[in-house]
Order: sequence, then structure tokens, then C-alpha cells
Amino acid sequence: QQQVKQSPQSLIVQKGGISIINCAYENTAFDYFPWYQQFPGKGPALLIAIRPDVSEKKEGRFTISFNKSAKQFSLHIMDSQPGDSATYFCAASGNFNKFYFGSGTKLNVKP
Amino acid sequence: NAGVTQTPKFRILKIGQSMTLQCTQDMNHNYMYWYRQDPGMGLKLIYYSVGAGITDKGEVPNGYNVSRSTTEDFPLRLELAAPSQTSVYFCASRFVGNTEAFFGQGTRLTVV
Repeated sequence: QQQVKQSPQSLIVQKGGISIINCAYENTAFDYFPWYQQFPGKGPALLIAIRPDVSEKKEGRFTISFNKSAKQFSLHIMDSQPGDSATYFCAASGNFNKFYFGSGTKLNVKP
Repeated sequence: NAGVTQTPKFRILKIGQSMTLQCTQDMNHNYMYWYRQDPGMGLKLIYYSVGAGITDKGEVPNGYNVSRSTTEDFPLRLELAAPSQTSVYFCASRFVGNTEAFFGQGTRLTVV
């Protein structure tokens, strides 16, 4: 059973556009929601994370929107650049011992 | 600072063979994890450890074993390789009290 459901599986965006990736979870015990970025041949790296006590967190061009009542959170990449082309994973954790990852979204930003 | 180092980077195994995937970290992290990554499936937790001598199962532990005799090393053992274990394996670590996990570059394993 997938603890965290992620969509879309792939995304093509023009340079300068907005990329939006969505995730949903069921376990209300989750209280930490990170996003990881992975380039081909590399391991995932933490991009940005949020706790459920806030509805939005912004770091540069990357924003997480969090809807606790709907049990959904999303990653928005503003002014998308070709260098943002990568696979993005959302994740969730309830006690930091275990992290549950979404299935990943492959983002391609066209020049 | 090397971070999390995984060896080998690539390996082809025959069905029924055994091997150990090595993972070492030089950041004095308490927590260490093994994940497998399959296309369209994200990362699935195989085993994790909260410190030397302590390990626990994750979501998909069958067919694997781990040990944690030191803080630095967390090897993953495959005893009887099966085609279903064809995957990319990632080791990760983090420090207690810090939420960020650091990943190695992965081991691509093919079982034929």
C-alpha cells in the first residue's frame, strides 16, 4: 500500500513556466513532509521541507503548499529553468525513523 | 568530506548468488537507511538502523539482511539473489535531531 501518492508521473514545462507536483497521504500521524530532488545517476538530495503547523513554505523559486484538512501537499517551482530538470520525490514521516516516499515525478523543462 | 559512500556502483549477479552492498558514512550519523528504487515506484525502505547494534525492518525486508557493528558502516546482504531484486539501491544517513537525510550515489544491481 502506497503511503504517499504522487502525481503526475512526468511533467513537461516551458522555461519560465510554473511546475506543480502534487502529493496526498492518509496517515494523520505524519508530521514532516520533505521534497527531494534527484538528478540522473545521483542520489536524492533534500530540496525543501514543511511541517503541518504552516500552510506554506518558500525557499527561492521553490514553494510547498500544505493542506492539512485535505491531507495534501504540493511543490511549486516558479520560473522553471532547464537546470531544474530532474526527478522529484515527496515524502512523509511520523517519527523520523521511517520516511515514506512518493513514486516520483520526472520534470523536463524545455528551453 | 566524503559523505555517504556506496560500493560497488554497478553489479551483475546470477540467480542464487550472494553479495554484500557496502555503505559507509563519515558524518558520525546515528541513523542509516537502505532503500531500493524501482521505476515508477519511488523509494522503498528495506532496513534501517538507529545506531550501532540496532536494526529494524522497513517496508520490503524479505530477501535482505543487514548488520550495524560500527557507527560508520551499514552493509546490506543479499543471500540468494532473485530477478525481483534487480533495482537501484540507495544508502542514506542522518543525524539524530536533524531531519535531513543524506543519500549515497546508489548501486545499480542486475540479477540475471
